[in-house]
Amino acid sequence: GENVEQHPSTLSVQEGDSAVIKCTYSDSASNYFPWYKQELGKRPQLIIDIRSNVGEKKDQRIAVTLNKTAKHFSLHITETQPEDSAVYFCAAITGNNRLAFGKGNQVVVIP
Amino acid sequence: DAGVIQSPRHEVTEMGQEVTLRCKPISGHDYLFWYRQTMMRGLELLIYFNNNVPIDDSGMPEDRFSAKMPNASFSTLKIQPSEPRDSAVYFCASSLARSGASTDTQYFGPGTRLTVL
Repeated sequence: GENVEQHPSTLSVQEGDSAVIKCTYSDSASNYFPWYKQELGKRPQLIIDIRSNVGEKKDQRIAVTLNKTAKHFSLHITETQPEDSAVYFCAAITGNNRLAFGKGNQVVVIP
Repeated sequence: DAGVIQSPRHEVTEMGQEVTLRCKPISGHDYLFWYRQTMMRGLELLIYFNNNVPIDDSGMPEDRFSAKMPNASFSTLKIQPSEPRDSAVYFCASSLARSGASTDTQYFGPGTRLTVL
């Protein structure tokens, strides 16, 4: 089945700097890649997603890039703010319509 | 729309007791998912339904776990008997499959924090 891995597991950045989280996946047939943000004690919430027919998508300070050849996609957060501190999960759709989630990245924005 | 609704939000029970978690998906969504989240194992898909029919239950840990979806607006996840290792946050999520496409964005409920003593 699909295997999704995230790197690094924990990322600390100074406020105002950029943060980049990378995910790799194993199933070349995957065509949908969402990113979820989970704040402490809350539910995962979709922040951005990308489909395999595009290479990049941007929404204000966040962007996602997809490299289908290398089977990896990355989340970019620019001008980080304290409220960006959370756990970020990447996922990939599998052949039987399941979402396979990575283990999550803890992002800490230092004021 | 109120989003995905789950109840109870917190459940504390003793080992051996039956636990029932409830979920109401977003109206009109075709898919419903049950996840379990722990620090050690992350987010695990337990089972999902499409149009009230269970499609994939390969993530259900063992026979103590069962899930039902009697209609489009209600699903339950039952653990009988419960064990301390079942302690986790259980999320329900729903999505709307676009015509001819695979599952779309999944919207998560607030979760049920289960503690089995």
